[in-house]
Amino acid sequence: GAGVSQSPSNKVTEKGKDVELRCDPISGHTALYWYRQSLGQGLEFLIYFQGNSAPDKSGLPSDRFSAERTGGSVSTLTIQRTQQEDSAVYLCASSPRQTMNTEAFFGQGTRLTVV
Amino acid sequence: SQKIEQNSEALNIQEGKTATLTCNYTNYSPAYLQWYRQDPGRGPVFLLLIRENEKEKRKERLKVTFDTTLKQSLFHITASQPADSATYLCALDKSNTGKLIFGQGTTLQVKP
Repeated sequence: GAGVSQSPSNKVTEKGKDVELRCDPISGHTALYWYRQSLGQGLEFLIYFQGNSAPDKSGLPSDRFSAERTGGSVSTLTIQRTQQEDSAVYLCASSPRQTMNTEAFFGQGTRLTVV
Repeated sequence: SQKIEQNSEALNIQEGKTATLTCNYTNYSPAYLQWYRQDPGRGPVFLLLIRENEKEKRKERLKVTFDTTLKQSLFHITASQPADSATYLCALDKSNTGKLIFGQGTTLQVKP
């Protein structure tokens, strides 16, 4: 597809379970971002991948959160032992980053509900 | 600490009027600043980018200003329409490495 694709679009999980959220960025985009958005709130930065550089993980809220980006393309955000406060919309974005100032293209997000 | 602040209160205006949204930041020196639009249930969509050496940028009914001395950007929508109703987010590159940080957004409601 032409845009950033995220799956699943909705996920309901029981407290304590692990979840994996997937992001397919736009082909050729070197930068990939994960954000979290709670109801009525702004975007909370989680992690940033840029090419082959070490990812910036400074926004991950706890060691239960981790992310990988395989082959410089698809990314997976994993939340272990989910808690109710993890309920939010998780947004992925990619950017060509061929220059310093390029726009980010967002997916539709994964709505995570922990019950 | 480093902050990006947007008016958290919703902005309600009448159709045809100009909407002005504010984005203030502290303790950053960004090379550029971006504005995005977000509709309910959707991801943000890019609108405009303005560089530090640009005072003003226009795109159709949109205008953005960037005052690096005041550490402020203003986002204007002229001749507003009900279809402009959405949440508008500003974003900047915290460390000029491509890492985008967003403000909390301001919700605009344009009444017919």
